[in-house]
Amino acid sequence: TQLLEQSPQFLSIQEGENLTVYCNSSSVFSSLQWYRQEPGEGPVLLVTVVTGGEVKKLKRLTFQFGDARKDSSLHITAAQPGDTGLYLCAGARGRYGGSQGNLIFGKGTKLSVKP
Amino acid sequence: KAGVTQTPRYLIKTRGQQVTLSCSPISGHRSVSWYQQTPGQGLQFLFEYFSETQRNKGNFPGRFSGRQFSNSRSEMNVSTLELGDSALYLCASSFGTYDDNEQFFGPGTRLTVL
Repeated sequence: TQLLEQSPQFLSIQEGENLTVYCNSSSVFSSLQWYRQEPGEGPVLLVTVVTGGEVKKLKRLTFQFGDARKDSSLHITAAQPGDTGLYLCAGARGRYGGSQGNLIFGKGTKLSVKP
Repeated sequence: KAGVTQTPRYLIKTRGQQVTLSCSPISGHRSVSWYQQTPGQGLQFLFEYFSETQRNKGNFPGRFSGRQFSNSRSEMNVSTLELGDSALYLCASSFGTYDDNEQFFGPGTRLTVL
């Protein structure tokens, strides 16, 4: 059973377009993290959202945590080729997984931004 | 400071063999978690070690085991390899406390089982 469902699985857009990636679950998480992974590398943490309804902005990236802390979204404005990669959401039981390093990952959204 | 390092980066084995992967955490981090990443299943949690003790375990068969040394370096072992064990194995380190368990990932070891 996949506890975190990400959509879409694949996204191919042109440079300058906007996009939104979704991460949904029937479970409540204490926090949710977004990672970006490039080929041949491990995931790199982009942001952690903790409070229901929280919105965080990182330059052209906007992250939102649902009020019920079951879902999250990542919105990218004016996408650039450098945004290309696999975007992963991960749910944690505690603030950052509590005292246990057990993150539950979605399968990811593979984003390709063409120049 | 240096990031998480994993060795080797690439490995090719045949069915039935065993393999040991190594992970060196960021200096000061006491928690090391291991994940398996495949195209079909995504990233799945294997286990976590904290101060040389396994603190949490995912749903993988007993062929997958690990350990952690006093310097926090960790090894993961897979015995009697199967074709389905081909994957990218990632380790992540953190301070491992409730208030600060932000995980930093290594580049992974790409294991191919023939």
